[in-house]
Amino acid sequence: KAGVTQTPRYLIKTRGQQVTLSCSPISGHRSVSWYQQTPGQGLQFLFEYFSETQRNKGNFPGRFSGRQFSNSRSEMNVSTLELGDSALYLCASSSTRRLLRQFFGPGTRLTVL
Amino acid sequence: DAKTTQPNSMESNEEEPVHLPCNHSTISGTDYIHWYRQLPSQGPEYVIHGLTSNVNNRMASLAIAEDRKSSTLILHRATLRDAAVYYCILRDEMNYGGSQGNLIFGKGTKLSVKP
Repeated sequence: KAGVTQTPRYLIKTRGQQVTLSCSPISGHRSVSWYQQTPGQGLQFLFEYFSETQRNKGNFPGRFSGRQFSNSRSEMNVSTLELGDSALYLCASSSTRRLLRQFFGPGTRLTVL
Repeated sequence: DAKTTQPNSMESNEEEPVHLPCNHSTISGTDYIHWYRQLPSQGPEYVIHGLTSNVNNRMASLAIAEDRKSSTLILHRATLRDAAVYYCILRDEMNYGGSQGNLIFGKGTKLSVKP
């Protein structure tokens, strides 16, 4: 099986712009979670989708949003980018609702100038 | 959220066993212990998980203390490829829903492997 894929792998944006990141889970996986990783804060949970519904959301401002499509692919959007949004954004998929084992993608490296 | 405490860094020699400790004194009865690792420039990868009994898989072993207040990830023969940040995470699998249902990563232990 192909692993979790994320596109694009690298992205450079300027402050005030918006960005959309994409994640394709492992075939058959219905749960997709998003995480932000920065040197200062480490890995932080953003939100999780299961069967097109957002089930959980982390402590991030409303500028961060996401959605999941019927084929389980997911996108996350960040509007009005700030310098502090520069980070590695990781997507993880799981086959079960209880997330016993998550499979992570390689991440999208976002740089905000 | 139940917290875990891990050493910031550890060193090991290649082909020797490595014991990575994790303290979780406030663990609840329904918390599973998960271990993930993150190799340089990659996303985290699952290593192993357990509840009460010791667990083995092809990657590692997980030894859980009888009182469950600590656990140890054991790599039986470290290789250079095992150099990574290892995360010990507690997750309440029984009360899934809300923030309890997601992986909460700490700082982890950075493992260096010397040839």
